[in-house]
Amino acid sequence: KQEVTQIPAALSVPEGENLVLNCSFTDSAIYNLQWFRQDPGKGLTSLLLIQSSQREQTSGRLNASLDKSSGRSTLYIAASQPGDSATYLCAVRYSGSARQLTFGSGTQLTVLP
Amino acid sequence: EAGVAQSPRYKIIEKRQSVAFWCNPISGHATLYWYQQILGQGPKLLIQFQNNGVVDDSQLPKDRFSAERLKGVDSTLKIQPAKLEDSAVYLCASSFDGRGYEQYFGPGTRLTVT
Repeated sequence: KQEVTQIPAALSVPEGENLVLNCSFTDSAIYNLQWFRQDPGKGLTSLLLIQSSQREQTSGRLNASLDKSSGRSTLYIAASQPGDSATYLCAVRYSGSARQLTFGSGTQLTVLP
Repeated sequence: EAGVAQSPRYKIIEKRQSVAFWCNPISGHATLYWYQQILGQGPKLLIQFQNNGVVDDSQLPKDRFSAERLKGVDSTLKIQPAKLEDSAVYLCASSFDGRGYEQYFGPGTRLTVT
């Protein structure tokens, strides 16, 4: 079964700290991987999309890496701010005709001022 | 560019009642998705449309859930009759096509079944 796991389920850090969120997946035959942010009561906002041929993607203070061989991706957030507080979801699109997104359960991040 | 629109934003119903959700995707997006997100979990795909045809509805509880996408644009998702375990956020998303293009999500409809 193709699954996506995110650990920890919740994380609390002081403002200004650099942090890493983890995502693991069970099947290395992926098409791409996407990181989303979800604020309470809101939909999902796409942060970064990494194609299977790429090793990392960067956007501002965010950097996502992909290691297919180990089945892992990380989202690095530099100089965290209280506004970064949200739930971060990892989603994998496995290869194949369907190419649907399989989501992890998310990591709830709280950045303390 | 307007995003994915959903309505209503919130709905409270009693069990065994029926409810319908509406979604308007981004203009020009051929693929439309409905997800169910239970509290504390990631979204789970219920159904995927390509234009007005169903690509995958393998995880849709067809005895109570139905969805349609007439004319390949707007879509409605219906639950009849609702159960307590249907309480969740129902998210609609769209993409240019279903071959791996980025998905854009609407704000969701939070359903509470009492």
